[in-house]
Amino acid sequence: AQSVTQPDIHITVSEGASLELRCNYSYGATPYLFWYVQSPGQGLQLLLKYFSGDTLVQGIKGFEAEFKRSQSSFNLRKPSVHWSDAAEYFCAVRSNFGNEKLTFGTGTRLTIIP
Amino acid sequence: DSGVTQTPKHLITATGQRVTLRCSPRSGDLSVYWYQQSLDQGLQFLIQYYNGEERAKGNILERFSAQQFPDLHSELNLSSLELGDSALYFCASSVFGRNSGNTIYFGEGSWLTVV
Repeated sequence: AQSVTQPDIHITVSEGASLELRCNYSYGATPYLFWYVQSPGQGLQLLLKYFSGDTLVQGIKGFEAEFKRSQSSFNLRKPSVHWSDAAEYFCAVRSNFGNEKLTFGTGTRLTIIP
Repeated sequence: DSGVTQTPKHLITATGQRVTLRCSPRSGDLSVYWYQQSLDQGLQFLIQYYNGEERAKGNILERFSAQQFPDLHSELNLSSLELGDSALYFCASSVFGRNSGNTIYFGEGSWLTVV
């Protein structure tokens, strides 16, 4: 069964600093990978996705993520965070055959300090 | 705005009651998914419909049921509600029902509080 691990429950960074949120997945083949963001009281917004091809994917709001098959990882990065990036971030994996459900990690809450 | 519309946004009801959550998918999307987000369980997949038919089932309780209508909107019915059913219920939609790399878009959710 597919699974996702986000080892960091809560991360605090200073505004303007770089950010990396970790995500490790478990899946037998090449999965489809996603990062979603949830602002307080809001729904889930797709930041970026990886299906195939270039392992470095660019998303919205200046985010990028790198798929590393050898490490089963799909870490999210941003070179300089803004106060508006404070939110909960979810990594998700989906099978590339059969069941289409998204399996989410437990999320990482990002706090930005001035 | 993802294009997925959910109603109601907030709902407070008593234990033992029954509620219906409604979802309108993005225009052109045939597949609808329901997810539950709670503090203790995180984001859990409940059920998926594709073009009116159930396609996949996840951790959905027997007290819960869903359907997708010919106009592709979906309803999630929650009955005999318990305090532990209090959660944020998300609807999501995507274009196809089979694996094609399509993105799943989420609505803003329906907050259910059972008192």
